[in-house]
Amino acid sequence: GDSVTQMEGPVTLSEEAFLTINCTYTATGYPSLFWYVQYPGEGLQLLLKATKADDKGSNKGFEATYRKETTSFHLEKGSVQVSDSAVYFCALTPPRGATNKLIFGTGTLLAVQP
Amino acid sequence: DAGVTQSPTHLIKTRGQQVTLRCSPKSGHDTVSWYQQALGQGPQFIFQYYEEEERQRGNFPDRFSGHQFPNYSSELNVNALLLGDSALYLCASSLEGGLNSPLHFGNGTRLTVT
Repeated sequence: GDSVTQMEGPVTLSEEAFLTINCTYTATGYPSLFWYVQYPGEGLQLLLKATKADDKGSNKGFEATYRKETTSFHLEKGSVQVSDSAVYFCALTPPRGATNKLIFGTGTLLAVQP
Repeated sequence: DAGVTQSPTHLIKTRGQQVTLRCSPKSGHDTVSWYQQALGQGPQFIFQYYEEEERQRGNFPDRFSGHQFPNYSSELNVNALLLGDSALYLCASSLEGGLNSPLHFGNGTRLTVT
């Protein structure tokens, strides 16, 4: 079935370091891909999305490109801040689904130190 | 403009008991989805309600049931609680319309089963 695999954390970086969180997916066809962020004690917030191959989603300095050939949607940011510390989830919506149901990866904890 | 609100925020129950969790969708939204997030895991889709009917269901037993009211609010009921039901339960709302309607999540209800 459809699934998402993302790199295990925690990822610990110093402020202003470059961030990459890897995400790969398994799905038949062309799913929509998402990154969600969860700050401590809060629900999930949509960070960015891409709905077709080669699309680049971006928001708040974060970027991810939908790569069909490698079935990947890696999250990147050029210079992280302490305020970026959170859990990041990669997710997809199955391409033939009747709803906007999301399938999530297990999440990656990012800790940014000053 | 109120976002998705869930109640209660925390709940402690004993094995075998029953629990009801409540969700009010974001203003203007008519579709409600429920997710279960176990500690250290990504959210798992339970079911989605639209027009007061369950439209899609994930891989959860019949002990998990729900309801949507005419004002679009929703309840999640879990019967015969097990220790493994301990998790953060997230409600998400959206507009009926699939991929063009992003999910907005509440902050969740933390259920602890002892």
